[in-house]
Amino acid sequence: DARVTQTPRHKVTEMGQEVTMRCQPILGHNTVFWYRQTMMQGLELLAYFRNRAPLDDSGMPKDRFSAEMPDATLATLKIQPSEPRDSAVYFCASGPGHRSTDTQYFGPGTRLTVL
Amino acid sequence: AQSVTQPDIHITVSEGASLELRCNYSYGATPYLFWYVQSPGQGLQLLLKYFSGDTLVQGIKGFEAEFKRSQSSFNLRKPSVHWSDAAEYFCAVGASGGADGLTFGKGTHLIIQP
Repeated sequence: DARVTQTPRHKVTEMGQEVTMRCQPILGHNTVFWYRQTMMQGLELLAYFRNRAPLDDSGMPKDRFSAEMPDATLATLKIQPSEPRDSAVYFCASGPGHRSTDTQYFGPGTRLTVL
Repeated sequence: AQSVTQPDIHITVSEGASLELRCNYSYGATPYLFWYVQSPGQGLQLLLKYFSGDTLVQGIKGFEAEFKRSQSSFNLRKPSVHWSDAAEYFCAVGASGGADGLTFGKGTHLIIQP
């Protein structure tokens, strides 16, 4: 059963530290999404890639967040420096292509706590 | 800009009773609509999706949803809920369906009473 995997599942860090979250999309999927879930804002799209190229990162704070896909099997989301307001659950999702009928498959999320 | 409203933050239903979760969307053209479910500590799982055609959509786990353009609604229904249905339910809309980013509602927390 193919799944999206995310590491770490939980991360506690102190303000100012760098945080890196990793995502392994389902093999063969060429679209990767990053979402953030908070109590106040709900689920928000941060950025997404197709064929490893960024398509939209308008939802991401540019000064401290960066997203990359070093290869087709790995997507990363980095926060540097981290702040308490970044505490949230970060979800990665992958999709098989560029069709409107595609389904996005979500990973289990990384729960980030910034003290 | 597209948006999704789920008016009910919490809903409590007795086991075996019917369920309807409300979803209203705002979008200029024909939307692509989704319902996802999130169990505690888990990611989101797709229940069903609407793109075109029949306005009554069948999904997994016995769920269905009806698209009503005149009411800008896409309500989720189940005739008889089970204790395992307790979870968070999210409605989402996409301008390009699943190919691009989705806009989610704030979610409805479903509680099942014995």
